[in-house]
Order: sequence, then structure tokens, then C-alpha cells
Amino acid sequence: ILNVEQSPQSLHVQEGDSTNFTCSFPSSNFYALHWYRWETAKSPEALFVMTLNGDEKKKGRISATLNTKEGYSYLYIKGSQPEDSATYLCAFIGNMLTFGGGTRLMVKP
Amino acid sequence: GAGVSQSPSNKVTEKGKDVELRCDPISGHTALYWYRQRLGQGLEFLIYFQGNSAPDKSGLPSDRFSAERTGESVSTLTIQRTQQEDSAVYLCASSLRRDGHGYTFGSGTRLTVV
Repeated sequence: ILNVEQSPQSLHVQEGDSTNFTCSFPSSNFYALHWYRWETAKSPEALFVMTLNGDEKKKGRISATLNTKEGYSYLYIKGSQPEDSATYLCAFIGNMLTFGGGTRLMVKP
Repeated sequence: GAGVSQSPSNKVTEKGKDVELRCDPISGHTALYWYRQRLGQGLEFLIYFQGNSAPDKSGLPSDRFSAERTGESVSTLTIQRTQQEDSAVYLCASSLRRDGHGYTFGSGTRLTVV
């Protein structure tokens, strides 16, 4: 299992704040990076599939960037809402599939 | 079925009892992963099966944990003599290929040890 790390492990923000967190991964044998939103008792919900260095993807208030040369991806949430509270997972696909530990986001009203 | 199925969805057990969690992968998926997330903590890798190869058990936290998978079929994760710190959501995923393409998650089993 490869070293895929997410930081911070948890994050508390106020409603309306913008926030971002990081997924770092090996820069070799990169094929794709996936971001998921996971609420417990549900299957993780796919947010983004990122494959090219420099990729930027956006879905509503959430966006992500990718740097495959240095091995990191950022996920941004603009104007956080309580319903954004969840665990955000990244998944690295290279020689094998490896998940990061997730960032637990809690948005206070 | 269309997705990865995990059962039970919820399990409450008494400390010291054994539990079995089940994961039914998508037919034809050669790779199967078990993870868990304890309250307030990150997602932890437990074990990875790839076809008929020896599984990667490097994430199993103690010898009370074991998992089996026969070929490309169902996997069971067994926890013996459960402890309160075993309480977690146990998440299973399967994928078509070793490199993770075409992977799908189950919805998890929430285990509570009282």
C-alpha cells in the first residue's frame, strides 16, 4: 500500500467560510486521482476524477486542482454550508488503488 | 447485484464476542479492499485481496482481526473478542483491476461494541 496522505485530518469551520485541504501522493506511476465525499452509512459520492497535471475541476462551490509532478491535489470549498459536513477522501490510482485517510469537515451554522 | 453489498449495515455486539462482517463485491472484480473509520479518526487500510495472490494484511491492527476471500467472491472480515476500540464503520471496496480502475464502494457496516 502506497503512502497517500490527507491533511488536515479534521477541520471545523463556520458557515460561510471558505476552506481547502490537501491530498499528497507518490509522483511516480500516476494514472488518476479521485475525490469523494463520504457521509457515514452511505457509499462515498464521487466528486472529481483528475488525470492531467494542472487539471482544475469545479462542481458548484467545490473545486479541485492537481499537480502530478509534485504529488498533491487541493480540494477547495467556497462559502461552506452545514450540509458540506462530511469526510472528504482522495483515492490514488497508479499501480494500485490507495485511499488517503480522509479529512473530516464540520461546518457550524 | 449492481453494486458492492455489505452486511449487516449495523451491528451492535457485546465486548468479548466475535463478529463477522461480509462484503459481496461486484462479479468479476479481482481486487477487494477493507478499510475502517473509527469515530474522530481517518480512514485506515486493513487488508487487500488481489485475485488468488496472497493478501496484503499489513493494515490489520491485531491478531484478533482476520479476513478471508475465496477467489473473486465474497469476503468476510472476522473480529474475535471484540473490544470497544473496534467500534467503527467498516468500508469495503472492489475493483476490476489491481490498479484500481472501475472500483466501487459498499455503504459500510457500522459496528458498535458495548
